[in-house]
Amino acid sequence: AQSVTQLGSHVSVSEGALVLLRCNYSSSVPPYLFWYVQYPNQGLQLLLKYTTGATLVKGINGFEAEFKKSETSFHLTKPSAHMSDAAEYFCAVDSGGGADGLTFGKGTHLIIQP
Amino acid sequence: DTAVSQTPKYLVTQMGNDKSIKCEQNLGHDTMYWYKQDSKKFLKIMFSYNNKELIINETVPNRFSPKSPDKAHLNLHINSLELGDSAVYFCASSQEGAWGQFFGPGTRLTVL
Repeated sequence: AQSVTQLGSHVSVSEGALVLLRCNYSSSVPPYLFWYVQYPNQGLQLLLKYTTGATLVKGINGFEAEFKKSETSFHLTKPSAHMSDAAEYFCAVDSGGGADGLTFGKGTHLIIQP
Repeated sequence: DTAVSQTPKYLVTQMGNDKSIKCEQNLGHDTMYWYKQDSKKFLKIMFSYNNKELIINETVPNRFSPKSPDKAHLNLHINSLELGDSAVYFCASSQEGAWGQFFGPGTRLTVL
């Protein structure tokens, strides 16, 4: 069984400040980890993914995430928040070879204060 | 060009009706999925399907059935709609051996 926990259903940061969205996972096999972003009334867009190799993964829009096996974490960061980053962010895990679908966390709503 | 498309975008219907949501992907992917996003934005897998097998999440009522006329399409049929079926339904696709799924724009289903 696999699960994903996202700490904080809402995170508020000032424009220009560091963004940190937390994700912890549990998986009985080596996981493949993803971050997706959902803008209002839209579908999910893949931000970045970790499969194998380098544990620091860079994605689109200046986001990056680091896989830490010892901490079972895959936190998402961005050095400087922009107003356009306001959205819902989902962490997901796939340890079933793909066919079982993704297991998502409950999402974190990112609010950017001007 | 839209990679994963769904129709309709909005669907409003009465309890007890039968409805379908269509999904098409032009990415050449071999696996397609349906997810349900509830009012709290929680996303849950309903089905995954490739040309070999259909995997059904055990919590999905048998009123829901996926139909795949070909590799590029996975439609969702829902019989005897209930109030609790109101949600946003997302179609997604992926390629075996590659990680990450591409999502459609979603269909907001409202059951009155």
